[in-house]
Amino acid sequence: GAVVSQHPSRVICKSGTSVKIECRSLDFQATTMFWYRQFPKKSLMLMATSNEGSKATYEQGVEKDKFLINHASLTLSTLTVTSAHPEDSSFYICSAGVRVRGTEAFFGQGTRLTVV
Amino acid sequence: EDKVVQSPLSLVVHEGDTVTLNCSYEVTNFRSLLWYKQEKKAPTFLFMLTSSGIEKKSGRLSSILDKKELFSILNITATQTGDSAVYLCAVPLRDTGTASKLTFGTGTRLQVTL
Repeated sequence: GAVVSQHPSRVICKSGTSVKIECRSLDFQATTMFWYRQFPKKSLMLMATSNEGSKATYEQGVEKDKFLINHASLTLSTLTVTSAHPEDSSFYICSAGVRVRGTEAFFGQGTRLTVV
Repeated sequence: EDKVVQSPLSLVVHEGDTVTLNCSYEVTNFRSLLWYKQEKKAPTFLFMLTSSGIEKKSGRLSSILDKKELFSILNITATQTGDSAVYLCAVPLRDTGTASKLTFGTGTRLQVTL
């Protein structure tokens, strides 16, 4: 149990376009999901906390108008990178916090975004 | 400011060697420490540690926590090439009931060669 599915796994887009990434909890309800970003050879950095039915909470330095988060249901959170630029190219990973088998988070497969 | 630091940053060993990866932390309201293995995609869970001195073991991997000295180690014995990965240490920062956000360490990149 506790599977988190993230889609797409890889996307290439042109500068100036917007990209939507979906994160779904497949067999449980997640009132809270987290979005992380990872640059090459770096660790995961928390971007924002996605709360079902309310506004997302963004970490310091993360532009909320750039990275739009919507958590409209208990099983789906979306991250939209608006007006993407090459510097937004990164690996984006979502997680859903749930205590199952003693773990505290299950991760999606990640999305590798390349902006050209 | 909460902080999680891992060492070494990278490590190259020969197959069959034993390695020890370190993770130290400074967080308020510490509850647990987690270890993850990351290959090319998302991290996969290895261990969650909450109590000092109790070793958790899974095959050739084991981990232990020292809450007095604020660190944890991850041991891998008889390493194999399939152990090559980035090993991440993380600490939950806030208990929201069913979810916690994680602060990750920098990671240790392990490469096991033949």
